[in-house]
Amino acid sequence: ETGVTQTPRHLVMGMTNKKSLKCEQHLGHNAMYWYKQSAKKPLELMFVYNFKEQTENNSVPSRFSPECPNSSHLFLHLHTLQPEDSALYLCASSQGPGLATGTQYFGPGTRLLVL
Amino acid sequence: AQKITQTQPGMFVQEKEAVTLDCTYDTSDQSYGLFWYKQPSSGEMIFLIYQGSYDEQNATEGRYSLNFQKARKSANLVISASQLGDSAMYFCAMREVTGNQFYFGTGTSLTVIP
Repeated sequence: ETGVTQTPRHLVMGMTNKKSLKCEQHLGHNAMYWYKQSAKKPLELMFVYNFKEQTENNSVPSRFSPECPNSSHLFLHLHTLQPEDSALYLCASSQGPGLATGTQYFGPGTRLLVL
Repeated sequence: AQKITQTQPGMFVQEKEAVTLDCTYDTSDQSYGLFWYKQPSSGEMIFLIYQGSYDEQNATEGRYSLNFQKARKSANLVISASQLGDSAMYFCAMREVTGNQFYFGTGTSLTVIP
């Protein structure tokens, strides 16, 4: 595997379900990110991890819970979601948080539908 | 205020022609980075090109070039010799040296016509 991978690629869940999104980067990067992309809206940064430590949480509802066990893996645990949470969830990684090293490389995303 | 503004929701270009996608940004930082990404219908965001605020030359990567006008706070993407595979959404983004925020615009949908 190369680059950034995400599983599953598609997910349909009910509002009472619990599911997890997985992201893995094979680039040797130290920073990982979760984004939400809804139709006709800019990408919304949700969480940032640097060296496994969470450094940003952009007022994301608690029904989204991130986990970063190591620099290569990032999870997004989902529970009691709402229909408006339906979106494309993108994971990204960068070598570091700085400008020159901060170019983010994205995974293919998980298309989530909440019924 | 919007950090990144892309005023062209949709653009069309004839195959083999050049096209310019507009992007303006807003920051009070002296040090920042500007990025362009391509998103095909498959969903993956593909990094295209980077320009640092202190770079004196416009960035180029193959058929992509970034027309950086610092005083006007614009960072337009120029795609030369358009190909059918260039049809996608294109996003302009900025990273400021302060903080961990990465700001994206709303994107421009480019369609290349044979």
